[in-house]
Amino acid sequence: GESVGLHLPTLSVQEGDNSIINCAYSNSASDYFIWYKQESGKGPQFIIDIRSNMDKRQGQRVTVLLNKTVKHLSLQIAATQPGDSAVYFCAEGGSGSARQLTFGSGTQLTVLP
Amino acid sequence: NAGVTQTPKFRILKIGQSMTLQCTQDMNHNYMYWYRQDPGMGLKLIYYSVGAGITDKGEVPNGYNVSRSTTEDFPLRLELAAPSQTSVYFCASLTAGGTDTQYFGPGTRLTVL
Repeated sequence: GESVGLHLPTLSVQEGDNSIINCAYSNSASDYFIWYKQESGKGPQFIIDIRSNMDKRQGQRVTVLLNKTVKHLSLQIAATQPGDSAVYFCAEGGSGSARQLTFGSGTQLTVLP
Repeated sequence: NAGVTQTPKFRILKIGQSMTLQCTQDMNHNYMYWYRQDPGMGLKLIYYSVGAGITDKGEVPNGYNVSRSTTEDFPLRLELAAPSQTSVYFCASLTAGGTDTQYFGPGTRLTVL
């Protein structure tokens, strides 16, 4: 079946460096993609989304890039801070009638002092 | 607005027991979802609802039931609890016609022994 997967299960970066979290997807019918951040013991929190007709979108310290040719998206976090330590999920949606999301397995980002 | 609230936060059940996980949202959202998250994994959709009185199965509905008698509430019922249902359960909601961002509750951690 269709799935959303992540390249790396863990990522460690030095505080102040930039982080890049990757995600591969397989459903070419997906209309949008969302990045969520999940801190320990909490529910997922929206970070940024991107529609399939875009290839880049920027937010505050975050940028999402979408490459539809190779079905890949990435989340870039600039000047990573300790508060960025969390699990990051990509999710794809838009192909379901009830706007369901399909989630990847997540990447654990650890920010080192 | 309180957003999406879930009760209880934690629960331990014995095999064969039943319980209801409560989910309430005060944002007047039409769409509501139940997910389960196993350790180190992404979220899998159990059931969803596109409005009061309308529910449908997601990816992993076996062993669960839902109802949607009001816009605000979307309880998840576990009948005959099994160890395989040990997981963290998240409820989410989404407004029709708005952005595609799902808003998540804080989760219920359920252990079945």
